[in-house]
Amino acid sequence: AQSVSQHNHHVILSEAASLELGCNYSYGGTVNLFWYVQYPGQHLQLLLKYFSGDPLVKGIKGFEAEFIKSKFSFNLRKPSVQWSDTAEYFCAVNEGTSNFGNEKLTFGTGTRLTIIP
Amino acid sequence: GAGVSQSPSNKVTEKGKDVELRCDPISGHTALYWYRQSLGQGLEFLIYFQGNSAPDKSGLPSDRFSAERTGGSVSTLTIQRTQQEDSAVYLCASSPRRGGGYTFGSGTRLTVV
Repeated sequence: AQSVSQHNHHVILSEAASLELGCNYSYGGTVNLFWYVQYPGQHLQLLLKYFSGDPLVKGIKGFEAEFIKSKFSFNLRKPSVQWSDTAEYFCAVNEGTSNFGNEKLTFGTGTRLTIIP
Repeated sequence: GAGVSQSPSNKVTEKGKDVELRCDPISGHTALYWYRQSLGQGLEFLIYFQGNSAPDKSGLPSDRFSAERTGGSVSTLTIQRTQQEDSAVYLCASSPRRGGGYTFGSGTRLTVV
């Protein structure tokens, strides 16, 4: 069975600091990888996704993530965070199929990010 | 509609009562998912509907939980004889046949007292 680990439970940063949130998964086959964000009081939104191709994926709001197959990792990065990035971030994975993510996802437990102005 | 709609947004129920949670997916999305989000936990998969195929019920935690999807659109998640450990936010998501990932609803916050 798949599992997703997000080792950082709560990260606190000052504005303009650089961000990297860890995500590791356990599945030996082809995977699709996702990062979702949940802003306070809002529903989960897709931040970025990786299906195939360039392992460096760019998402919305200046976020990017790099798929490193040898490390089973898909870490989320942003060079300079803003107060508005305060949210909970979830990494998710499913088995890679031709349906491009139209299958059940396994989620990590989430990382709460707090940005101090 | 424009997004995934869930109702009610909040539900408080007494232990032992049955509850029904509703999800109205994005029109044309063939896949519908139910997840549960408990405090301090990640999202726990419950059930997945894909078109006319038999649903994947592998995540349902007990036989008190069931779900149906009528006409390939609206879905209802039913919890019978609710217990306090059922308290959580129940999230519904839908996705198109190919590509795009999920679109989540705002969830139903269930509190069992």
